[in-house]
Amino acid sequence: GAVVSQHPSRVICKSGTSVKIECRSLDFQATTMFWYRQFPKKSLMLMATSNEGSKATYEQGVEKDKFLINHASLTLSTLTVTSAHPEDSSFYICSGLAGAPDTQYFGPGTRLTVL
Amino acid sequence: GQNIDQPTEMTATEGAIVQINCTYQTSGFNGLFWYQQHAGEAPTFLSYNVLDGLEEKGRFSSFLSRSKGYSYLLLKELQMKDSASYLCAVDQAGTALIFGKGTTLSVSS
Repeated sequence: GAVVSQHPSRVICKSGTSVKIECRSLDFQATTMFWYRQFPKKSLMLMATSNEGSKATYEQGVEKDKFLINHASLTLSTLTVTSAHPEDSSFYICSGLAGAPDTQYFGPGTRLTVL
Repeated sequence: GQNIDQPTEMTATEGAIVQINCTYQTSGFNGLFWYQQHAGEAPTFLSYNVLDGLEEKGRFSSFLSRSKGYSYLLLKELQMKDSASYLCAVDQAGTALIFGKGTTLSVSS
């Protein structure tokens, strides 16, 4: 199947700093990518839909100024958590659409811990 | 509203068969996905059903009834490595998925 990578896999940062997470589609072009957040023992929650060359669409309750998404190419989307706080500690997962019918392929996830 | 229901937890023994049910009520429906997620890892794709009926893929099969808003994932010849969370997710026409809360399956020897 299609392969999606994320970097870094794990990051620990101090409160108030910004963290950038990269999501890459390695063997396909992803016009659309999605960013999810998952708290322990909870289901995936969609944060935003990222479309190449246009502004991301954020879900209700997700602060677009805090979670900056850039989808500058067909193979790369980035999520920047600005001024991170401990409550932002979570597992962040991206996915890209590929195949027919469109199937979401997930990256391996990024574990963010804010101290 | 959007609602997807799955059992929270299930247990089974090695070699057994287990069926994980999923019922959904969503404003749109294009198809239904099943994903497997091991603890600390991202979900991996298992199946995608668009039409009614059963689709078999090795030890895993998935069934869909659109009229009943119902799906199940059937796992045969269970192995210890099948212990994981199984997520049912509704595809609303090529947009992001709506996930159920997941079913944690524990397989014991």
